[in-house]
Amino acid sequence: QQQVKQSPQSLIVQKGGISIINCAYENTAFDYFPWYQQFPGKGPALLIAIRPDVSEKKEGRFTISFNKSAKQFSLHIMDSQPGDSATYFCAAIPSGGSYIPTFGRGTSLIVHP
Amino acid sequence: DSGVTQTPKHLITATGQRVTLRCSPRSGDLSVYWYQQSLDQGLQFLIQYYNGEERAKGNILERFSAQQFPDLHSELNLSSLELGDSALYFCASSPQGDTQYFGPGTRLTVL
Repeated sequence: QQQVKQSPQSLIVQKGGISIINCAYENTAFDYFPWYQQFPGKGPALLIAIRPDVSEKKEGRFTISFNKSAKQFSLHIMDSQPGDSATYFCAAIPSGGSYIPTFGRGTSLIVHP
Repeated sequence: DSGVTQTPKHLITATGQRVTLRCSPRSGDLSVYWYQQSLDQGLQFLIQYYNGEERAKGNILERFSAQQFPDLHSELNLSSLELGDSALYFCASSPQGDTQYFGPGTRLTVL
């Protein structure tokens, strides 16, 4: 049972455009929502994360929008660059306990020059 | 560079064999997590250790086992290997709570 649904599976964007990746979750016990960026042959790297007490968090060109009532969150990459081409994973982590994340299936982003 | 190291980077072996993957967490991190990443299953949590003790188990097969040593490095043992075990294996470490730092992974190929 997939508890975090991520879409789209793949995304092609022109340089300078906006990339948008969406995730939806079901478990209301999730309390922390990180996004990871993974380049081929590398491990996932934490990109940006948000907690449900805020609706938006921005770090440089990367923004997370969070809708608690809809149980959805999304990653926006402004002014997308070819160097942003990677696979992006959203995750949801419950509060307390062992903090075991549930990952989305990933989105392969290609930014054309 | 996350500060988490994994060895070996690549491993090619035959079905039925046993291998050991090693992970050294970031300095000071007490938690180590192991994940399997395959094309059809995505990132799957296998097992977590905290300061030498098993903390949580995920979708880890009985043929797989892990441990965390007093110096906090961890090993994942995979035995009776099958073709379907071919995947990327990542470990991640965490100082506490929710932020995890992933290593570069070990690519296992079972022939």
